Amino acid sequence: GAGVSQSPSNKVTEKGKDVELRCDPISGHTALYWYRQSLGQGLEFLIYFQGNSAPDKSGLPSDRFSAERTGGSVSTLTIQRTQQEDSAVYLCASSRPLVYLGTDTQYFGPGTRLTVL
Amino acid sequence: DQQVKQNSPSLSVQEGRISILNCDYTNSMFDYFLWYKKYPAEGPTFLISISSIKDKNEDGRFTVFLNKSAKHLSLHIVPSQPGDSAVYFCAASNRLNAGNNRKLIWGLGTSLAVNP
Repeated sequence: GAGVSQSPSNKVTEKGKDVELRCDPISGHTALYWYRQSLGQGLEFLIYFQGNSAPDKSGLPSDRFSAERTGGSVSTLTIQRTQQEDSAVYLCASSRPLVYLGTDTQYFGPGTRLTVL
Repeated sequence: DQQVKQNSPSLSVQEGRISILNCDYTNSMFDYFLWYKKYPAEGPTFLISISSIKDKNEDGRFTVFLNKSAKHLSLHIVPSQPGDSAVYFCAASNRLNAGNNRKLIWGLGTSLAVNP
């Protein structure tokens, strides 16, 4: 595939249920980011994966949120016991192996729109 | 606490004229700034960037200006075209001190409408 893909494109769930969001980065991109955009807000950093290094989870809003990246490629963002405030568009981005202070454009997927009723 | 601020939620410009989108930041540690464009139902796409060691970067119709003393940057689009109508996000990162994590700090976006 040419770009970052995410699935599902839309997810409607009931409060208290668990959801899994998937991201397929561009082949060869070692860095992967998850962001979310709530209504009327800017994009908010959630978590960062780089190769085999420990992920930077500093942006995860609560322990109900977790993410993994299997085999250095596909990533899954899991939200447990969803709340209404989790409703947002969840965006995944990937970038090439890093060059110190070099350009490293992040390429975004189309996002998953999560609605918690 | 918005570290990156885009104070104009919307902007309307006539086709052929200049569009100027503004962005202010508060964190003096930011050393790399980017503009992304976003169409509805799509992810943001990279437009242009500038390092803090420069004050101007130009790419075709798009020019980004950086005023570090004022902590202000702007995106100029000349001439504006109807296809430029989108939401434009300003983003910043701290590359020097953040190591490998190039997480971006985003503004709220400015919706640009270019009228034919």
